[in-house]
Amino acid sequence: QSVLTQPPSVSGAPGQRVTISCTGTISNIGAGYDVHWYQQVPGTPPKLLIYGNSNRPSGVPDRFSGSKSGTSASLAISGLQAEDEADYYCQSYYSGLSGYVFGTGTKVTVL
Amino acid sequence: EVHLAESGGGLVKPGGSLRLSCAASGFICSNAWMSWVRQAPGKGLEWVGRIKSKSDGGTTDYAAPVKGRFTISRDDSKNTLYLQMNSLKAEDTAVYYCTTVNRGAAEYWGQGTLVTVSS
Repeated sequence: QSVLTQPPSVSGAPGQRVTISCTGTISNIGAGYDVHWYQQVPGTPPKLLIYGNSNRPSGVPDRFSGSKSGTSASLAISGLQAEDEADYYCQSYYSGLSGYVFGTGTKVTVL
Repeated sequence: EVHLAESGGGLVKPGGSLRLSCAASGFICSNAWMSWVRQAPGKGLEWVGRIKSKSDGGTTDYAAPVKGRFTISRDDSKNTLYLQMNSLKAEDTAVYYCTTVNRGAAEYWGQGTLVTVSS
């Protein structure tokens, strides 16, 4: 059972902007721990998309952006493209479990 | 280029044991924190555990569902990470990924190896 909650699905037309929320608690995101985001195309391993709340690894398009406030974080995808159709997961650290936790995952569909 | 290659997955009976390996290349493995993450069929990602670099103490942490049954170790001379899994249960069935850990993020991922626990 994950302690980071995400919407099961979001969708948008090509070119639109979509956002994915990641809701935590005062024991993880709210305690100041960084949030990271991953993209997983079905049948492939996850790929790091955003690290340290808002930083993009080399090669990740600037259409992807991350933010964090209080006990929540968000991933925004602007200029949605067909290749963005995938599952997205947030991840943080949970002091109560002395370990990392992933979000429940969000499936992004491009209409 | 960083490359992680898991091996050792397969079919095992409930209560059995299995050891997974993860061969690393393209970076200084001894300096890296490493982790295992699993994904049950059709489900989301679940963190299994992490091992720090030896210079940071080499300590391990585990998720509650595997604590006491799984053990992570490393052999930096072989650039290899291990996951010893004992007392396996049906709910341990998953693809197991090894990852590097950088400032709390799983930076690089292997392709994964499938573990199926079934009688």
